[in-house]
Amino acid sequence: AQTVTQSQPEMSVQEAETVTLSCTYDTSESDYYLFWYKQPPSRQMILVIRQEAYKQQNATENRFSVNFQKAAKSFSLKISDSQLGDAAMYFCAYRSAKEYGNKLVFGAGTILRVKS
Amino acid sequence: DTGVSQDPRHKITKRGQNVTFRCDPISEHNRLYWYRQTLGQGPEFLTYFQNEAQLEKSRLLSDRFSAERPKGSFSTLEIQRTEQGDSAMYLCASSRGGGIYEQYFGPGTRLTVT
Repeated sequence: AQTVTQSQPEMSVQEAETVTLSCTYDTSESDYYLFWYKQPPSRQMILVIRQEAYKQQNATENRFSVNFQKAAKSFSLKISDSQLGDAAMYFCAYRSAKEYGNKLVFGAGTILRVKS
Repeated sequence: DTGVSQDPRHKITKRGQNVTFRCDPISEHNRLYWYRQTLGQGPEFLTYFQNEAQLEKSRLLSDRFSAERPKGSFSTLEIQRTEQGDSAMYLCASSRGGGIYEQYFGPGTRLTVT
């Protein structure tokens, strides 16, 4: 079974600074997808960024980028120019590429606090 | 897209009672998922539908839990004989497909069993 580990329960960043959230995963599969989801307080979860395991190039979405290290099974999220609206719980998630591998396997999450 | 909606948003029930939650996915999405999230944890997968067919169930889904998606549109999740350990946020998500397709999440139903 696949597992996802987020070793940082909580992180803080100053507004306009850069922060990196860590994620490691365990799988015996070679083809899969990785995601970062954001869950603001009392609001629904939204997708931040996604990565296909077969792609060597790291995904980027505006201020959000990932560092995907397949051999190390590491998938960290970098948030540049942090804004107050980035404050939320961030979840790393894994999804198998198998035909019926549809479920997301989530880590425990990292609370990100943004200081003004 | 009008988004995924869930009803009710909050439910307080007494131990032993039955509860039912509803999820309305984004209209063109054929895949629907249920997850459970306890405080301070990531969501855990419960079950998944493709159209009206329930294709996968987690071992977390005991025989007190049942889910349906009768016409491949909305879905219901019923918990019978609720226990205090069932207290959690129940999240519904939908997507166009598997793989890299995004799962869109609803706001969740918070269940409190007293």
